[in-house]
Amino acid sequence: GQNIDQPTEMTATEGAIVQINCTYQTSGFNGLFWYQQHAGEAPTFLSYNVLDGLEEKGRFSSFLSRSKGYSYLLLKELQMKDSASYLCAVVSGTYKYIFGTGTRLKVLA
Amino acid sequence: GAVVSQHPSRVICKSGTSVKIECRSLDFQATTMFWYRQFPKQSLMLMATSNEGSKATYEQGVEKDKFLINHASLTLSTLTVTSAHPEDSSFYICSARGTESSYEQYFGPGTRLTVT
Repeated sequence: GQNIDQPTEMTATEGAIVQINCTYQTSGFNGLFWYQQHAGEAPTFLSYNVLDGLEEKGRFSSFLSRSKGYSYLLLKELQMKDSASYLCAVVSGTYKYIFGTGTRLKVLA
Repeated sequence: GAVVSQHPSRVICKSGTSVKIECRSLDFQATTMFWYRQFPKQSLMLMATSNEGSKATYEQGVEKDKFLINHASLTLSTLTVTSAHPEDSSFYICSARGTESSYEQYFGPGTRLTVT
């Protein structure tokens, strides 16, 4: 079957670093996306990994290990506006996304 | 670029009526469009995939006669919730995929449906 797991909730302090993990078991793999979603809004693109390794983009970095079925999103210098849900999505054998359960991040002052 | 719009953003309807939601790709041609629903504090659940000019492919457990999808052009897909019931109240989000070589989906702003 297809399975993508993320922690349900995380809390961190403003200015800190937080790592959100995503583990997956899918029948095919054409890459992994990370999205940010604020309540009642559409998801916004953060990163796309298809090869192993780390992709860095400003305060956000994403890592992928295909052999381990594992990815993480790293957020540095946390800001209050980073409080949101973070969704991991795997593109399986077709063009469809399989979304993880989502992680609600709360940033405290 | 790659903007997707949805209309309406919010709709309230009475139980038993039908509601149509439009999804448009504004500055690109969408090879494929996807419809998702999202319940509070949950992730997005794919309902169906639609390609222009062909019938939509529905995910397991989604009633195709209740959620009618039409993808009449490369820039427009519609979702009609027929005979809506309170349990259909949800956040409906569409997305669109452009070029054949890209896996990225561009998401619309979502439609909040409330059935009373």
